[in-house]
Amino acid sequence: AQKVTQAQTEISVVEKEDVTLDCVYETRDTTYYLFWYKQPPSGELVFLIRRNSFDEQNEISGRYSWNFQKSTSSFNFTITASQVVDSAVYFCALMDNDMRFGAGTRLTVKP
Amino acid sequence: DSGVTQTPKHLITATGQRVTLRCSPRSGDLSVYWYQQSLDQGLQFLIQYYNGEERAKGNILERFSAQQFPDLHSELNLSSLELGDSALYFCASTRDSRAPNTEAFFGQGTRLTVV
Repeated sequence: AQKVTQAQTEISVVEKEDVTLDCVYETRDTTYYLFWYKQPPSGELVFLIRRNSFDEQNEISGRYSWNFQKSTSSFNFTITASQVVDSAVYFCALMDNDMRFGAGTRLTVKP
Repeated sequence: DSGVTQTPKHLITATGQRVTLRCSPRSGDLSVYWYQQSLDQGLQFLIQYYNGEERAKGNILERFSAQQFPDLHSELNLSSLELGDSALYFCASTRDSRAPNTEAFFGQGTRLTVV
């Protein structure tokens, strides 16, 4: 069975600190997709990134970066120089035949 | 098990048809969200209901509609189906209508295939 674990339930940082959100997944499939979503206070999910299982290249987008390591089944998300607007719940998700989300990590960035 | 139940798990139908997807939220949750998940567009918010009333609308097509019943279960109706409607449809529930400052609990989704 697939499983996505976000062990950090809540993280609180002060603005400008770097923060890493962990995501560990389990799947028997060789082809799968990994996602990160942001859920701001408005409630809707905001898509951040999709990665397929054959592409282990790390990605950077502005202050966001993702570290995909198949060897440890991890897909971690780092925000550098965090800002108050980054405060949200962040979900990691795994998709092959089904879609499973982690429980989410609530990030609070304090001014 | 998130406590959110979606049925059916899989659905195959022809273009032009109409289908109904069902979602039962976690016990005690008043708010239900519907999302459409496709590989090229990621997860898109469709609509939210809170205690029977529509609360927020996202990228929901006019061919789609939803409602939440007194027992708080929700149905998403998709009509005049097109091939591009093939996707995973998720339901999520939260305790209240505000930010899910608490977790949103997601169902496992309904995979719709339009042929």
